[in-house]
Amino acid sequence: EPEVTQTPSHQVTQMGQEVILRCVPISNHLYFYWYRQILGQKVEFLVSFYNNEISEKSEIFDDQFSVERPDGSNFTLKIRSTKLEDSAMYFCASSEAQGWTYEQYFGPGTRLTVT
Amino acid sequence: EDQVTQSPEALRLQEGESSSLNCSYTVSGLRGLFWYRQDPGKGPEFLFTLYSAGEEKEKERLKATLTKKESFLHITAPKPEDSATYLCAVQAYYGDSWGKLQFGAGTQVVVTP
Repeated sequence: EPEVTQTPSHQVTQMGQEVILRCVPISNHLYFYWYRQILGQKVEFLVSFYNNEISEKSEIFDDQFSVERPDGSNFTLKIRSTKLEDSAMYFCASSEAQGWTYEQYFGPGTRLTVT
Repeated sequence: EDQVTQSPEALRLQEGESSSLNCSYTVSGLRGLFWYRQDPGKGPEFLFTLYSAGEEKEKERLKATLTKKESFLHITAPKPEDSATYLCAVQAYYGDSWGKLQFGAGTQVVVTP
């Protein structure tokens, strides 16, 4: 069964460093998303991406964040200068736009720890 | 402002003891309501999508229903492997919005043998 994959599973970085989180969405999906979940809190939407453009972003997704689809399979989230409050689980999701089928399938997540 | 509220926060069940989880929502226009299961340290696993009031979906011991204001996830004769956090999320119409999900805080279910 096709699934979303994410690497690395755990990333430890120092405050101020840049990190890149990687995702491989399900192959025939066209819409890609990043969400995050701070420990003990709700899953929060960060950004959606379609046709090589950001289609929607939240207030969390400020200038420190960027997304890219560098090739036909990968989807990345970059945080330019990490802060302590960026520590969270980051989930990538993808969906296939076909009629009303908008289920989003999530990857296993990357745990980001900023020290 | 759109809101998604789940109750109870936590639920402890004996194996075989059926129960229901609630997700109440206020959105300006509902495109879909989604239920996910999340195990500790893992990503949300898709369970159901409901699009209109009166709709019901079933999968094994789980059944999801939808009204205009809330959704219920019924767990019938649960087993220990049903222990997880169950997340509700809504997708609303926002002009050109392409379907961000707004999640509730979840209900943590523990099923004991």
